[in-house]
Amino acid sequence: EAGVTQFPSHSVIEKGQTVTLRCDPISGHDNLYWYRRVMGKEIKFLLHFVKESKQDESGMPNNRFLAERTGGTYSTLKVQPAELEDSGVYFCASSQPGLAGVVDGQYFGPGTRLTVT
Amino acid sequence: AQSVTQLDSQVPVFEEAPVELRCNYSSSVSVYLFWYVQYPNQGLQLLLKYLSGSTLVKGINGFEAEFNKSQTSFHLRKPSVHISDTAEYFCAVTWGGQAGTALIFGKGTTLSVSS
Repeated sequence: EAGVTQFPSHSVIEKGQTVTLRCDPISGHDNLYWYRRVMGKEIKFLLHFVKESKQDESGMPNNRFLAERTGGTYSTLKVQPAELEDSGVYFCASSQPGLAGVVDGQYFGPGTRLTVT
Repeated sequence: AQSVTQLDSQVPVFEEAPVELRCNYSSSVSVYLFWYVQYPNQGLQLLLKYLSGSTLVKGINGFEAEFNKSQTSFHLRKPSVHISDTAEYFCAVTWGGQAGTALIFGKGTTLSVSS
């Protein structure tokens, strides 16, 4: 069974540019989460999809971040325009539907390391 | 609000020594607790979890953790570490819910095992 995959693994962009991160969850996992870890800080929640709907986007830092999950499969996270403080590692995780997802836990991808210069 | 504190940012140990990585949480509701491990250049891997029942939970790679409700702790232990256990370890909490909920993480503890 394929795990959670993320693309790209690394991205270096200049301030003001746009970057789109992609996450492919495990097949059948309705729940999809985005997290971010800024250097030296803890991993922080950004948002949560259930299928194609945003269940919780309370962690999104501002309106420069736009997440989508068309068709309830893969998800993209776009940062436009990027700022220096957006640098960090962006993790995606997925889990099974409902309570099974809590019991089984969240499965994480390897992350995308974003550097804004 | 829920929060997680990992008391040690770095823990250096020698191979075959025992290790304990400390984690405390604060929450006003019942929670589920997790330990994840991140090896270099890899994603987070679930080590073990506490959902309910026995307070001592066993995970992969010989790790175990004990849930202590009165002390709001969930410390991770291994009786004898290997070089391959060198990694960053994260304690996390969630409060569940039918639709799934986000994990709240501690800042991580880097375990460095040397020979």
